[in-house]
Amino acid sequence: GAGVSQSPSNKVTEKGKDVELRCDPISGHTALYWYRQSLGQGLEFLIYFQGNSAPDKSGLPSDRFSAERTGGSVSTLTIQRTQQEDSAVYLCASSLNRLENTGELFFGEGSRLTVL
Amino acid sequence: QKEVEQNSGPLSVPEGAIASLNCTYSDRGSQSFFWYRQYSGKSPELIMSIYSNGDKEDGRFTAQLNKASQYVSLLIRDSQPSDSATYLCAVNMRYGGSQGNLIFGKGTKLSVKP
Repeated sequence: GAGVSQSPSNKVTEKGKDVELRCDPISGHTALYWYRQSLGQGLEFLIYFQGNSAPDKSGLPSDRFSAERTGGSVSTLTIQRTQQEDSAVYLCASSLNRLENTGELFFGEGSRLTVL
Repeated sequence: QKEVEQNSGPLSVPEGAIASLNCTYSDRGSQSFFWYRQYSGKSPELIMSIYSNGDKEDGRFTAQLNKASQYVSLLIRDSQPSDSATYLCAVNMRYGGSQGNLIFGKGTKLSVKP
């Protein structure tokens, strides 16, 4: 498809387990963002990739969270030793990120993580 | 601390009325401002962008920006029940000459009553 693709759409895991969430951005989009949204809350910024530049990791809540983007395309968000407070919808978005349309993000459908 | 503030609502307006949604931001150097709409259980979608002071109109939607006051708003004219959603204000927080990242407010929930 032409949109941002995320997998899995739903993930239920036990506390202490590691999880990996995948994002496949729109082809040609150089910017990729991960956000987290808890029930009834706004979007919490996690990490931002722009081309080959070092990612902006300033939003990652702890060292249990990490993300990588291979070949400037697919990204994986990894959460180690999951905790119940990690339960949320993890949203990925991509953007052309040219100066004239910075911030025009296209979101995937999200990965809903439930930690029991 | 770079912040974007919105009234969480809910904001309830009758069908056909004007809905006014407001947002303030902390970073005076911000250059790009966006309104996203998020229906319940769905992902956000972009509805308006604004980069210059003043008003920008697109159909029933008008975005207003006042950089001196660090304030951006969204007006929805002739509100329809289908406009009922959470509206997220987003600001591109530039720093160090980079593009910066997009910071979202917590959103205002709008309910349009038939």
